[in-house]
Amino acid sequence: NAGVTQTPKFRVLKTGQSMTLLCAQDMNHEYMYWYRQDPGMGLRLIHYSVGEGTTAKGEVPDGYNVSRLKKQNFLLGLESAAPSQTSVYFCASSYQGLGEFFGPGTRLTVL
Amino acid sequence: SQQGEEDPQALSIQEGENATMNCSYKTSINNLQWYRQNSGRGLVHLILIRSNEREKHSGRLRVTLDTSKKSSSLLITASRAADTASYFCATVFGNEKLTFGTGTRLTIIP
Repeated sequence: NAGVTQTPKFRVLKTGQSMTLLCAQDMNHEYMYWYRQDPGMGLRLIHYSVGEGTTAKGEVPDGYNVSRLKKQNFLLGLESAAPSQTSVYFCASSYQGLGEFFGPGTRLTVL
Repeated sequence: SQQGEEDPQALSIQEGENATMNCSYKTSINNLQWYRQNSGRGLVHLILIRSNEREKHSGRLRVTLDTSKKSSSLLITASRAADTASYFCATVFGNEKLTFGTGTRLTIIP
């Protein structure tokens, strides 16, 4: 039982490059989330999903896209990375919002 | 914008003392949750308190909720060096998503 896993753990991109962050959970949770964490800002919700095939915007969705093709996976895409997207990204999953389980994070730097 | 706001932003205490952190929020909630984050790691869920509950305990943790004041407190008793971390409150309305505060950085001095 691995819980929530994220790949990659670290990534450096140049401005304009694209990438996809992968989140996987093995707890059969319906709800999955992507957050970004910046110094002094706490966690801000980017996008979330309440079930396979569904996604919704969070607080800071611009510049990101997501897909939930399988219940256990939630992908976060950056089509054209910008320095403002330098951050630590966390994925989480939960059973109906009753306590979220977090992955270890992905540290992304955009040059 | 953040729903919750923790106070204080930073707290340093001696090992063995009690630590109290507060959280204020703006709108009605279904439940409020507290999380811990060790440096460089993901968040760990500590405790959930529902809007119709006033107090909840889990080991050395005690959480109170005052919906009339839109505030919650987290008390850690008999603190240990391993309690050094950032603590976040998060509010839930509608059971779909959490809104996090900016956190309290707690340092336990051995």
